[in-house]
Amino acid sequence: EVQLVESGGGLVKPGGSLRLSCAASGFSFSNFNMNWVRQAPGKGLEWVSSISTRSNDIYYADSVTGRFTISRDNAKNSLYLQMNSLRAEDTAVYYCARDDLVCTSTSCYDRHLDYWGQGTRVTVSS
Amino acid sequence: EIVMTQTPLSLSVTPGQSASISCKASQSLLQSDGVASLYWYLQKPGQSPQLLLYAVSRRFSGVPDRFSGSGSGTDFTLKISRFEAEDVGVYYCMQGLNLPRTFGQGTRVDVK
Repeated sequence: EVQLVESGGGLVKPGGSLRLSCAASGFSFSNFNMNWVRQAPGKGLEWVSSISTRSNDIYYADSVTGRFTISRDNAKNSLYLQMNSLRAEDTAVYYCARDDLVCTSTSCYDRHLDYWGQGTRVTVSS
Repeated sequence: EIVMTQTPLSLSVTPGQSASISCKASQSLLQSDGVASLYWYLQKPGQSPQLLLYAVSRRFSGVPDRFSGSGSGTDFTLKISRFEAEDVGVYYCMQGLNLPRTFGQGTRVDVK
């Protein structure tokens, strides 16, 4: 069974830092691209960042570029999000989610964000 | 950035009846392989989002066949046939063509 378990959330002051972790199990973590997606209180979903299997390709939303760093440790089956210079607008539940590629006998399909963790809550407030 | 617009933003459905949600993209989501990169997710109350459909109409494992997707280019529809109480929640469409991946605003569906 695929499981993604986030941790590391909490209350932090504006300008502070936090490191989120996502522990993966039930699949071959090193073979899958991974993502962070967040949801502000009462709001919709916002993609934050993606990282490829060997960390060669990394992408960020404009809203977090220069402040957040995504990384992974395939030996530990873990995904991370280092968040610096935090702002009130970064307050959200942060989810890690997996990307997959599925193939039939004739075609292959990207299957983005197919499994999600339960989320970890980050609150930025003085 | 591709903007995704969902309608309606809220919907009340009688159990056993059908419901449809529309999702419109600001540009075509057609990939070079001829498949549109359009996804549907459901976030049930108090839960994480879960994948329902990918590539417009392909159901994720375990998703009941009362959920179906259609559309091409920029206009897409999620249809829920034979609505059940367990289908309540917020439905999101998402485009996977370009980064940043962008979601619709969400459609809140409840029981009438």
